[in-house]
Amino acid sequence: QVQLQQSGPELVKPGASVKISCKASGYAFSSSWMNWVKQRPGQGLEWIGRIYPGDGDTNYNGKFKGKATLTADKSSSTAYMQLSSLTSVDSAVYFCARSGGDWGQGTTLTVSS
Amino acid sequence: DIVMSQSPSSLAVSAGEKVTMSCKSSQSLLNSRTRKNYLAWYQQKPGQSPKLLIYWASTRESGVPDRFTGSGSGTDFTLTISSVQAEDLAVYYCKQSYNLTWTFGGGTKLEIK
Repeated sequence: QVQLQQSGPELVKPGASVKISCKASGYAFSSSWMNWVKQRPGQGLEWIGRIYPGDGDTNYNGKFKGKATLTADKSSSTAYMQLSSLTSVDSAVYFCARSGGDWGQGTTLTVSS
Repeated sequence: DIVMSQSPSSLAVSAGEKVTMSCKSSQSLLNSRTRKNYLAWYQQKPGQSPKLLIYWASTRESGVPDRFTGSGSGTDFTLTISSVQAEDLAVYYCKQSYNLTWTFGGGTKLEIK
């Protein structure tokens, strides 16, 4: 069955960067778009962007251009999202989600000094 | 950008009752070539990742109980739960994927009396 296993919780200082991973299994990783979604505490879902691992093509929500960078490693079937210049508003749970309905368990990011 | 609006923002019902919730998009989600509406419904229980219930506006995901029904076309969509169960306590989100991006509605929080 399809599984998306995300990396563990992160506590980082303001101004720093962080890279979150999403390891996929159970399907053809290169042939399916991988999306990333942000959810702040008690809030709704916000789409960040997506990547097609087969050729690295990406689309971003304009709001996250310059904030998020999506990459993928076909050899390890892992998608990555790097978030830069972190502030408190970046504190949230981040999900990876395959176009097709499967979601990771979420990675909690806390930005605090 | 396509804007998604959901109503009501919350509702409380007793087990066994019928529930309907609405989702409206700022532009049509009906693809004239495929004749499909690119509208999905998700259920997010407390502390969990969103779970896909319905895609293409009315196609139930495998394993989803048949008490969940999606309907609508174009810009107006509805999720109906025919007989609410206690386990249906959750926030329900609609999501458009008509263009290259995803946009979520603000969610409808379902509480059980």
